[in-house]
Amino acid sequence: ELKVEQNPLFLSMQEGKNYTIYCNYSTTSDRLYWYRQDPGKSLESLFVLLSNGAVKQEGRLMASLDTKARLSTLHITAAVHDLSATYFCAVDIKTNAGKSTFGDGTTLTVKP
Amino acid sequence: GAGVSQTPSNKVTEKGKYVELRCDPISGHTALYWYRQSLGQGPEFLIYFQGTGAADDSGLPNDRFFAVRPEGSVSTLKIQRTERGDSAVYLCASSTGTGYEQYFGPGTRLTVT
Repeated sequence: ELKVEQNPLFLSMQEGKNYTIYCNYSTTSDRLYWYRQDPGKSLESLFVLLSNGAVKQEGRLMASLDTKARLSTLHITAAVHDLSATYFCAVDIKTNAGKSTFGDGTTLTVKP
Repeated sequence: GAGVSQTPSNKVTEKGKYVELRCDPISGHTALYWYRQSLGQGPEFLIYFQGTGAADDSGLPNDRFFAVRPEGSVSTLKIQRTERGDSAVYLCASSTGTGYEQYFGPGTRLTVT
C-alpha cells in the first residue's frame, strides 16, 4: 500500500523567510503532484512532476522530485502572507496512474 | 472557460437516507475522479472513470457507495443508507487523461445527522 508522508504538518514562518516542505512516499512512482488548498476552498493544482530530477518553479514556490529517494520538496522563497494555505502532495503509483494518494497536508501560516 | 462544478454545495441528510452527489467535469476531459476529504486530512481516493467506465473503484469504502458516468461526462456519486461516518467533503476532479493535471471542483459538504 502506497503511503505518502509530509512534514512538517504545521509551519509558521515570518514574511521574507525561506523554508522547505518535504513529501516522502513509500513505493515506486513516476508522477507527483503539489496542490494548494485555502480554508473552505477546493484544491488548486500547483505542479506536476513527471521524472527524476524534475524541477518546476512558479513565483516564490519551487518543487523538485527525486524518484530514487522517493522524495519531493516544495521550497518557499521569501514568503509572503498570500502563501498562507495548506499544501498537499499526491502520488500516483506506477501501475495505476489515475489513483492518487495524498499526504495529510502542510498548513503554512506566514506572519508579518 | 467553465471549471468543474458540483451540486449541491451542501447536503444535510438523516442517517439511513439515500443521497446523490453530482459532478460536471470540464468539457472534453475524459478522466473523472471522486475523492472524500475529512477535516484536517488529505483527500482520499474513491473512484475514477476513464470515459464511461470505472477504471478503478478500489477506494469505495463499501457497497453502499456507487458511482456512474453513463455518457462519459457528468458523474453521480450515490450513497445508500447513509451513516454519520459518511460526513465529509466529497470532491470531484477531471483531467484530459489519467496521469495529467487534475482540476478540482468546489466540493459537496455532506452532513449526516
